[in-house]
Amino acid sequence: DAGVTQSPTHLIKTRGQHVTLRCSPISGHKSVSWYQQVLGQGPQFIFQYYEKEERGRGNFPDRFSARQFPNYSSELNVNALLLGDSALYLCASSGKGVLSWEQYFGPGTRLTVT
Amino acid sequence: AQKITQTQPGMFVQEKEAVTLDCTYDTSDPSYGLFWYKQPSSGEMIFLIYQGSYDQQNATEGRYSLNFQKARKSANLVISASQLGDSAMYFCAMREDSGGSNYKLTFGKGTLLTVNP
Repeated sequence: DAGVTQSPTHLIKTRGQHVTLRCSPISGHKSVSWYQQVLGQGPQFIFQYYEKEERGRGNFPDRFSARQFPNYSSELNVNALLLGDSALYLCASSGKGVLSWEQYFGPGTRLTVT
Repeated sequence: AQKITQTQPGMFVQEKEAVTLDCTYDTSDPSYGLFWYKQPSSGEMIFLIYQGSYDQQNATEGRYSLNFQKARKSANLVISASQLGDSAMYFCAMREDSGGSNYKLTFGKGTLLTVNP
């Protein structure tokens, strides 16, 4: 079975631009979470979506938004990019409902803001 | 206060030896879960092992075991018979179950493990 997939793999953007990152969960998984991992740190929780509804949000500004589609894939959008948004963005899917503890991570999208 | 503390920025171990990676946590929630993930240089987070707060026995998964000491709030990862492929970043993470926040993992800063031949 295919694991969690993310696209693109790498991305370079300029300050002030907008970016959209995409994630496809494991088949049958209905929950997707997004994490930001700045170099040298552990991942930080951004959002969780379950059944197309936002179920949780981390301490990130409103420039960050996300959505989940009927096929359970998800997009993370970041507006007005700042240099500090440069990071590895990880998507994780879980399959035992919103209460699932088992999160499977994708390979990540490495975003560089110049 | 840090919810997850990993005090070892880097660790070295000889191939075939065992190594312990430390993790302490802070929560007042009676129900929580503790996780260890491995992150190779490629970036993907690989799930290794899970321990629930009510689990009576320490979790084991192949060469990985979790030394869970609830009173000390520690959840150390033990890797037995280290292999060169174990060289990676290791993260301890916690999920707290109350208040509807059981969807979120809180990670430590990680420990970089290097296995020497």
